[in-house]
Amino acid sequence: DTEVTQTPKHLVMGMTNKKSLKCEQHMGHRAMYWYKQKAKKPPELMFVYSYEKLSINESVPSRFSPECPNSSLLNLHLHALQPEDSALYLCASSQGLAGDSYEQYFGPGTRLTVT
Amino acid sequence: AQSVAQPEDQVNVAEGNPLTVKCTYSVSGNPYLFWYVQYPNRGLQFLLKYITGDNLVKGSYGFEAEFNKSQTSFHLKKPSALVSDSALYFCAVRDGDTGRRALTFGSGTRLQVQP
Repeated sequence: DTEVTQTPKHLVMGMTNKKSLKCEQHMGHRAMYWYKQKAKKPPELMFVYSYEKLSINESVPSRFSPECPNSSLLNLHLHALQPEDSALYLCASSQGLAGDSYEQYFGPGTRLTVT
Repeated sequence: AQSVAQPEDQVNVAEGNPLTVKCTYSVSGNPYLFWYVQYPNRGLQFLLKYITGDNLVKGSYGFEAEFNKSQTSFHLKKPSALVSDSALYFCAVRDGDTGRRALTFGSGTRLQVQP
């Protein structure tokens, strides 16, 4: 199974809402990632977890809060977002530690719209 | 520092013709190089990677890439393009020795294969 799943597929939320994005993988990967992607642009790294510990935070605003409850799950909690946060949010995973030679496997993404 | 450049926003090719999508990189240490493809409203799919060894790397769906250290390039190629190859292609690099422990993506190249 080389699949990374993400829920929900689409999310519309107001600026005062709290919501969460979920990501799951069952490949035994120990590194998991959150990316933000705007239309026709490359993915921008937000967070990296290695062995369930946050190893990289790319100076992301605190209205985005990641969580890694176990080695298979990754959440992204959203609160008080701005319209400019509307984007495709991608989750990915890879074997071993972030920074090694392993490729990343990406989920299909959550299309987020902030109104 | 690590960076990657994809000089062409779009590449147009006729079905059955060979295709090349260009990528050049800059890293301080040894490069780990990756190609990913993204279809509309989907996550990224891994195509191939160069870590070490043979300069010609073969990947999924008949794609291959050639690592050229002197020209710091890693161009993606396919001998005979298919209409279904039309998608957005990203080159990515990671410095295998020093620097960031995360991938840096190029800006992407849209490949359009005409029937």
